Amino acid sequence: QLQLQESGPGLVKPSETLSLTCTVSGDSISSSSYYWGWIRQPPGKGLEWIGTIYYRGSTYYNPSLKSRVTISVDTSKNHFSLKLSSVTAADTATYYCARRYIAPPNWFDPWGQGTLVTVSS
Amino acid sequence: DIQMTQSPSSLSASVGDRVTITCRASQDIRTHLNWYQQKPGKVPKLLIHAASSLQSGVPSRFSGSGSGTEYTLTISTLQPEDFATYYCQQGEGTPWTFGQGTKVDIK
Repeated sequence: QLQLQESGPGLVKPSETLSLTCTVSGDSISSSSYYWGWIRQPPGKGLEWIGTIYYRGSTYYNPSLKSRVTISVDTSKNHFSLKLSSVTAADTATYYCARRYIAPPNWFDPWGQGTLVTVSS
Repeated sequence: DIQMTQSPSSLSASVGDRVTITCRASQDIRTHLNWYQQKPGKVPKLLIHAASSLQSGVPSRFSGSGSGTEYTLTISTLQPEDFATYYCQQGEGTPWTFGQGTKVDIK
């Protein structure tokens, strides 16, 4: 059964870089049928897509975050990572990793359990 | 960006009620519409993809319909475990966007 697990610091200081890793188990991240992505949810609010990556390295980012986001993949470790630079309190959120089907309707399933990242000094 | 607007933002219903949630897109998304359920403190779960295809394991009381810019999620007979927040998501084009959510709580 496919499982995704986020890991990384739960507290990041303002202006620093948020770094998270999503480890995939139960299937290869090198599947040709899927992208791998990050989605976040501020406390009590809705869902925002951050970006996605294909195992070969092609990436798509939300334009609203593009200048600060880098997503990378390590197929040897079956994981992918998120870096978000110059964070502010507005970046405080639960960050989820998820698998995205490669073709329309481009659904996300499954999701990792999520990790809360708080931006505070 | 394609904007997704759900209505209502919240609703109160009783066990056994029929519940309908609407999701409107700012442009034609050609049934590239997915629905998720999120219970408090839990992970979003894919319920329906491509507007009307029920994800494996999802109870048949859930159904989806729609085309063009307007889509609906219907719960035919609300069960206690269905009290949650529901989100639509368009898969027509990047950036992938979600509706603001519809919270279904107990009347």
